[in-house]
Amino acid sequence: GAGVSQSPRYKVAKRGQDVALRCDPISGHVSLFWYQQALGQGPEFLTYFQNEAQLDKSGLPSDRFFAERPEGSVSTLKIQRTQQEDSAVYLCASSLGRRQPGELFFGEGSRLTVL
Amino acid sequence: DQQVKQNSPSLSVQEGRISILNCDYTNSMFDYFLWYKKYPAEGPTFLISISSIKDKNEDGRFTVFLNKSAKHLSLHIVPSQPGDSAVYFCAASRLSGSRLTFGEGTQLTVNP
Repeated sequence: GAGVSQSPRYKVAKRGQDVALRCDPISGHVSLFWYQQALGQGPEFLTYFQNEAQLDKSGLPSDRFFAERPEGSVSTLKIQRTQQEDSAVYLCASSLGRRQPGELFFGEGSRLTVL
Repeated sequence: DQQVKQNSPSLSVQEGRISILNCDYTNSMFDYFLWYKKYPAEGPTFLISISSIKDKNEDGRFTVFLNKSAKHLSLHIVPSQPGDSAVYFCAASRLSGSRLTFGEGTQLTVNP
């Protein structure tokens, strides 16, 4: 499809497991964002890429969270040694813009449940 | 520190009437504001935006009003339709920045 694609849609992990969440942005979109949305809350910023460069990772909650976008297209968010508080929907978004917020196109999200 | 706040978790209106969703912000550096709509099991979709040099922006049935002195914005939907039933998120940013700061969302229900 032409939209932002995320996989897996649903992931159940046991506490302590590592997980990897994938995002396929819209082709040609320079900017890519990861957001975390807890139940009943709005999305919270995690990290931002412009092409392959990670320009802002100030929202990552701990050093267990790591994101990469090695070729400036597909991105992976990795969470090591998952904890129950990591349970949330992880949203990926992309946009054409380089240095302005603009309109973000969101994927459907990956719902992570840590038992 | 909640920099963008939507104080009403839910709102219910009759079809055909006006829906007014409110949003307050505390960071005076924000100069660009957006509204997103979210259906269950889908990602948020962009609805309308406004920059701080304006106080109103209109797009069809949707109008966003910005009151900078009060650090308040609102989204008006008129006439409301049952298909408008969704969670609405207010978001703010700096034009020179990149990240959006979202409110908690308001669940709008439009009753036929």
